[in-house]
Formats: sequence, structure tokens, C-alpha cells
Amino acid sequence: TQLLEQSPQFLSIQEGENLTVYCNSSSVFSSLQWYRQEPGEGPVLLVTVVTGGEVKKLKRLTFQFGDARKDSSLHITAAQPGDTGLYLCAGELSGNTPLVFGKGTRLSVIA
Amino acid sequence: GAVVSQHPSRVICKSGTSVKIECRSLDFQATTMFWYRQFPKQSLMLMATSNEGSKATYEQGVEKDKFLINHASLTLSTLTVTSAHPEDSSFYICSATGTRVEQFFGPGTRLTVL
Repeated sequence: TQLLEQSPQFLSIQEGENLTVYCNSSSVFSSLQWYRQEPGEGPVLLVTVVTGGEVKKLKRLTFQFGDARKDSSLHITAAQPGDTGLYLCAGELSGNTPLVFGKGTRLSVIA
Repeated sequence: GAVVSQHPSRVICKSGTSVKIECRSLDFQATTMFWYRQFPKQSLMLMATSNEGSKATYEQGVEKDKFLINHASLTLSTLTVTSAHPEDSSFYICSATGTRVEQFFGPGTRLTVL
């Protein structure tokens, strides 16, 4: 069973549309991180959320950590072709333990 | 800050040879480094966790004699794929963590075994 369920797995949208990616779990995470990965490169950290209910904004990206620290969402407003990539959520169950990764959301934004 | 490098970025080798991949934290001390493997269009699969100066902890199903990991210093970990075979061809990525909660990833190494 997947500890961190990420959805949708694939998403193809037109430039200018909004979208939301979800990560859900029955486990409580001490922190949750969102990464973006482009083909042939390593994941790049976008944001870390640590407090239940926390909301962080990074330009057109809004990240939310659930109140119970079991789920998180990434919302992109007015998507652009440059947002295309693989988005990964990853949760840390406790300090210095390996991250638990979702399966990723492959986003394609068409001009 | 928090830059992690990997070398080489891509390597092609013959079946039966060994390949060493280096992972370095350039501007911080990495108490823990992680090695992942990623197949096309899939998420990352954790192979092992290594702490400086101690033996690596391997995930279930990962052969420790085939994937040798050494974490000799706070800035360097190496992964050696011994007696590589075509099925070992993959994208290998390391990550490092220090005093901060986040993990920072290297750019990855594309291994192709002929």
C-alpha cells in the first residue's frame, strides 16, 4: 500500500487554467515537502510545510498543509508552459528518517 | 545554499563492470545521505540510507553486495554498482540532509549498461 497517495497522476491542461494536486495519507507527518522534477534532472525543492493548517505561497503556487498534518495540496493559478514537469510530494514521518514519496503528478501545460 | 552535486552525470558501461557514482554536498555538512533509483515516468524509489562513518541501511529487496555505499565524510557518499547488468540501467539520484529538515537532491546519474 502507498503511504502517501498523490493525485492526479497525470494532468494535461491549457495555459491559463488553474489546477490542484493532492497528497493524502492516514499517517501524520512532521513535515511535508513539495518538489518539482524536470526530465533528466534531480528534484528541486519548492517548499516545506511543518505546521498543521500552514499555507505558503510561491508566486502562482499555493501550498497547504492539512490541520492534522496528514494531507497537503498544491494549487497552481494561471498555469504556464514553464510549469510543466513532475511534481512530487514527500513526507517525513519523524526526524532524520527517509522521506516517503508520493507517486508524482506529471503536469503538462499546453500553450 | 544547499547544493548537492553528482558525478558522473551519465555513464555507459559494459555488462560485468563496476561503476562508481559520487554524491557531494557542496556547501553544507550532510549527516545523512540517501540513494534513490528512478525508472522512466515513475517516482523515486529509496535504495539505502547512509550516515557518515557508519554502514548504510538498505531497503528491502536492495542487494547490499551489489550496491556498495560508502559515506566516508560529511560531504561525500559513493554508490558503486558492482558487476553491472542491463537491468541495472536506471537514473540514480542522491539526496543529502544536514541540520535542516529538508532533503536536497543531486542532479542524478544516468547509468546505461550494455
